[in-house]
Amino acid sequence: DQQVKQNSPSLSVQEGRISILNCDYTNSMFDYFLWYKKYPAEGPTFLISISSIKDKNEDGRFTVFLNKSAKHLSLHIVPSQPGDSAVYFCAASAGSGTYKYIFGTGTRLKVLA
Amino acid sequence: DAMVIQNPRYQVTQFGKPVTLSCSQTLNHNVMYWYQQKSSQAPKLLFHYYDKDFNNEADTPDNFQSRRPNTSFCFLDIRSPGLGDAAMYLCATSRVVTPPLFLAKNIQYFGAGTRLSVL
Repeated sequence: DQQVKQNSPSLSVQEGRISILNCDYTNSMFDYFLWYKKYPAEGPTFLISISSIKDKNEDGRFTVFLNKSAKHLSLHIVPSQPGDSAVYFCAASAGSGTYKYIFGTGTRLKVLA
Repeated sequence: DAMVIQNPRYQVTQFGKPVTLSCSQTLNHNVMYWYQQKSSQAPKLLFHYYDKDFNNEADTPDNFQSRRPNTSFCFLDIRSPGLGDAAMYLCATSRVVTPPLFLAKNIQYFGAGTRLSVL
């Protein structure tokens, strides 16, 4: 029973365009979400987070949107660059002070030059 | 500068032969985690140490054990590896504050992983 789902295994986008990566969750208790980026032969690195008290968080070219009623979050990358090509994982946790996360299966993004 | 270091990067073992994977950290974080990730699957938490306290996930097989001799090091021991244990093993750390601060959440920092092959 997968509580965090990334239904698109892969995504290709032209350089300069917007990349949208999606993540759905089933547990309504989740209240904090992270996005990680993973390059080949490296560990996942933290990218951006969002709390359930917000519906949007921005950091440079990266914006995460949260739709609590739909139990859906998305990561927008604008403009996409070839260096953004990586696997992106979303992760969710529940409860203040919780320090364990449930991860999705990841989406492989390829940005075409 | 690598802050979470996993050794070795690649490990080949034989069916049933015990193997130990190593993780060290320079972040002085109080929590260390071990994840198993199989191809095209989500990283799956096996267990974690909160300081010296070991916390096993309910569905982690008994074949998997862990040791944390000090803050910096954590080991994953697989007592009798089976073919199904071939995977990427990821170590992560985080700094957890107690009592928890309102909305304070803990970012996990990952090592590069050890890819385990079982022959």
